Amino acid sequence: AQTIHQWPVAEIKAVGSPLSLGCTIKGKSSPNLYWYWQATGGTLQQLFYSITVGQVESVVQLNLSASRPKDDQFILSTEKLLLSHSGFYLCAWSLRGSGNTLYFGEGSRLIVV
Amino acid sequence: GDSVTQTEGLVTLTKGLPVMLNCTYQTTYSPFLFWYVQHLNEAPKLLLKSSTDNKRTEHQGFYATLHKSSSSFHLQKSSVQLSDSALYFCALSPITGNTGKLIFGLGTTLQVQP
Repeated sequence: AQTIHQWPVAEIKAVGSPLSLGCTIKGKSSPNLYWYWQATGGTLQQLFYSITVGQVESVVQLNLSASRPKDDQFILSTEKLLLSHSGFYLCAWSLRGSGNTLYFGEGSRLIVV
Repeated sequence: GDSVTQTEGLVTLTKGLPVMLNCTYQTTYSPFLFWYVQHLNEAPKLLLKSSTDNKRTEHQGFYATLHKSSSSFHLQKSSVQLSDSALYFCALSPITGNTGKLIFGLGTTLQVQP
């Protein structure tokens, strides 16, 4: 069975500090991978998606970057956090031909102070 | 452009009553429609999905029918339970190949009272 794991579960970081969030998917070969951001009680905003290793498409510009160093790994990062980066970050996967049916990880909650 | 509209931000109901959460969409492509449910402090989970016109799809007591003529995919349940209290998102995937595009509505919070 496929599993998706995100790390860390939660972080409190200072403005201007770097950030790295990760996710790993096991049990699926060559999935599409996504990063979403959600403000508390808000909608899901797609940040990035990747259909293959080394290829990442940016959907919105939020001073964040993403990389896919391995088929089963997706990394979200920034060198300088802003207060506006606070929120819930969700990694998700889908398979080609599934109509982009997304399955989310448990999420990483970020508070920037 | 492609968009999803959920007209209700908050729906409050008494346990046992029926519910309908509205979802309409706009796209020039053949669509896949989804409903996701997110309980407090949890990740969203897939509830329903459909790309077939006029076919009812059901899961966990919830059901929805994609109507392409009216661009709608409303979520319904005949009798809500306290555990149904959550944030519900309608989402649209315009099928244009493997673009990874999935658009979420603003969400509807369902509060079920005893």
